Amino acid sequence: EAGVAQSPRYKIIEKRQSVAFWCNPISGHATLYWYQQILGQGPKLLIQFQNNGVVDDSQLPKDRFSAERLKGVDSTLKIQPAKLEDSAVYLCASSLSAGDEKLFFGSGTQLSVL
Amino acid sequence: DQQVKQNSPSLSVQEGRISILNCDYTNSMFDYFLWYKKYPAEGPTFLISISSIKDKNEDGRFTVFLNKSAKHLSLHIVPSQPGDSAVYFCAASQNYGGATNKLIFGTGTLLAVQP
Repeated sequence: EAGVAQSPRYKIIEKRQSVAFWCNPISGHATLYWYQQILGQGPKLLIQFQNNGVVDDSQLPKDRFSAERLKGVDSTLKIQPAKLEDSAVYLCASSLSAGDEKLFFGSGTQLSVL
Repeated sequence: DQQVKQNSPSLSVQEGRISILNCDYTNSMFDYFLWYKKYPAEGPTFLISISSIKDKNEDGRFTVFLNKSAKHLSLHIVPSQPGDSAVYFCAASQNYGGATNKLIFGTGTLLAVQP
């Protein structure tokens, strides 16, 4: 069974630039999550999708972050404009359903904002 | 406001001995707890979980203990192996009637198992 795929693996940008991350969840998983993990901290949920609808985006900085999951499969997370404090690993995860606590994570995208 | 705390950033154990990783939480509404394991340059992978209605769950070398009155859980690894060296995250969730669950993660404990 293929795992959660993410790209790119690494990204280096300057502050005020924009960046986008892509995620392809495990086939058949209805729920998709984007987490932000800052160095030395645990992953923090940014947004949760159930199919192509948003379930929870309470911790997403909506002035600069946006995410979409068209057709209920792939998802993109965008940051525009980026700030220095956005440097982190962005993890995508998926689960069978919204009530399923067992998440499957991708390898993440490591973002460095200079 | 850190609802899930792992107060030990790192732990070093000899191969074959027991590893005990600890986690404390503050929200009494949490009803499910999980441990994830993370190797460098990889995403976290699910290891073991426990429902709040239980006090122990065992899976091979891994056992999770839950003490609800103390709001404390621990992960025991016996015997520890060098391949267990990784960062271990404790996570907790509160189920909102099956409609959603939000995992709150601790900051992680780096376990080093010495050969």
